[in-house]
Amino acid sequence: EVQLLESGGGLVQPGGSLRLSCAASGFTFSSYAMSWVRQAPGKGLEWVSAISGSGGSTYYADSVKGRFTISRDNSKNTLYLQMNSLRAEDTAVYYCAKAAEWIQLWCYFDYWGQGTLVTVSS
Amino acid sequence: DIVMTQSPDSLAVSLGERATINCKSSQSVLYSSNNKNYLAWYQQKPGQPPKLLIYWASTRESGVPDRFSGSGSGTDFTLTISSLQAEDVAVYYCQQYYSTHLFTFGPGTKVDIK
Repeated sequence: EVQLLESGGGLVQPGGSLRLSCAASGFTFSSYAMSWVRQAPGKGLEWVSAISGSGGSTYYADSVKGRFTISRDNSKNTLYLQMNSLRAEDTAVYYCAKAAEWIQLWCYFDYWGQGTLVTVSS
Repeated sequence: DIVMTQSPDSLAVSLGERATINCKSSQSVLYSSNNKNYLAWYQQKPGQPPKLLIYWASTRESGVPDRFSGSGSGTDFTLTISSLQAEDVAVYYCQQYYSTHLFTFGPGTKVDIK
């Protein structure tokens, strides 16, 4: 059974940093691209970042480019999102999501984690 | 960037009646080389993560009830719930995965019981 478990969320001051983790199980982690998708309170879904299975290719939404860094440790089956220079508008539930098709990065998402809440406030 | 729009913003349908949600992309998401539309639909219930319903515009995900169907091509797509059940109350999102530098979602359509 595929499981994705996010952690690392919390309250952080504007300008601060946070690192999110997503522990994956139930599939061959290194063979699938992964993404982070966020949802501000009461709002819709916004894709944040994606990474290929090998970790060699990464992509970002313009809203986070230069501030967030996606990475993965395939030996630990874990996805990360390092978030720096956080702003109030980064407040959201952050979900990790698995690409549905083997190797393909630009693909729909077949599994999502439960999410972790990041609140940026002074 | 491909912009996704949805209509209506919300709708209320009687139990057992049909619900229809529309999704439009700012440019075609039909890839001519394989004739596939790079369009997915997700259902999100309160307090839960999104759940995949439909991919390639019309392929139902395993385990999704057959009252859910997707149609359309190019820039115009529809999600239909043929006979609304109480458990279908949710927000529904379309998503394009045609672009090779970002994913975009529609703003969502909230479905309620009338």
